[in-house]
Amino acid sequence: DVKVTQSSRYLVKRTGEKVFLECVQDMDHENMFWYRQDPGLGLRLIYFSYDVKMKEKGDIPEGYSVSREKKERFSLILESASTNQTSMYLCASSYATRLIGHEQYFGPGTRLTVT
Amino acid sequence: GEDVEQSLFLSVREGDSSVINCTYTDSSSTYLYWYKQEPGAGLQLLTYIFSNMDMKQDQRLTVLLNKKDKHLSLRIADTQTGDSAIYFCATFTDSNYQLIWGAGTKLIIKP
Repeated sequence: DVKVTQSSRYLVKRTGEKVFLECVQDMDHENMFWYRQDPGLGLRLIYFSYDVKMKEKGDIPEGYSVSREKKERFSLILESASTNQTSMYLCASSYATRLIGHEQYFGPGTRLTVT
Repeated sequence: GEDVEQSLFLSVREGDSSVINCTYTDSSSTYLYWYKQEPGAGLQLLTYIFSNMDMKQDQRLTVLLNKKDKHLSLRIADTQTGDSAIYFCATFTDSNYQLIWGAGTKLIIKP
């Protein structure tokens, strides 16, 4: 079974703090994704990565950056957290080298609250 | 941009069939997915259908695709309390790298 793990289930941070969310997958997947999920809005893609050190912006990259130094690990960084970044953050991975978004497997999510 | 629409809520009685509907705009969608999210958990890929198929059945789940109307549905037979979740519809095209997601339908089971 594919396993995608996220470093924290719940996180509370203060406005202006730098926040790191980590995601690890154990199936040697090429592609990894970061989404945020807000009620009534579904999932919105923040960034994705199709290879080590490679990244592409998604629909809402502003205020976020990412790092992929190793194939199994994809980090989301909030440089200076703001209250409008309070959300559920979901990490996903997929194996396809051509159909990058196909058949994604998700981690359990990190619920981030910024006060 | 392209869009995927779903109703936000569906309420059914335990033992009845649930039908969750989804409409999409991208006619070049090649794969169409149903994901399930249980309370407090991440998303789980339930099933997907390739665009050249009309129907796919997997135990209690039946997926129907009407390409002409750009309509996808998920039928859950004999709905149980464990089926309580949010169900997301998503579409994918070969020329794109990402899924287009619906907002999710919360399935509520009444005893």
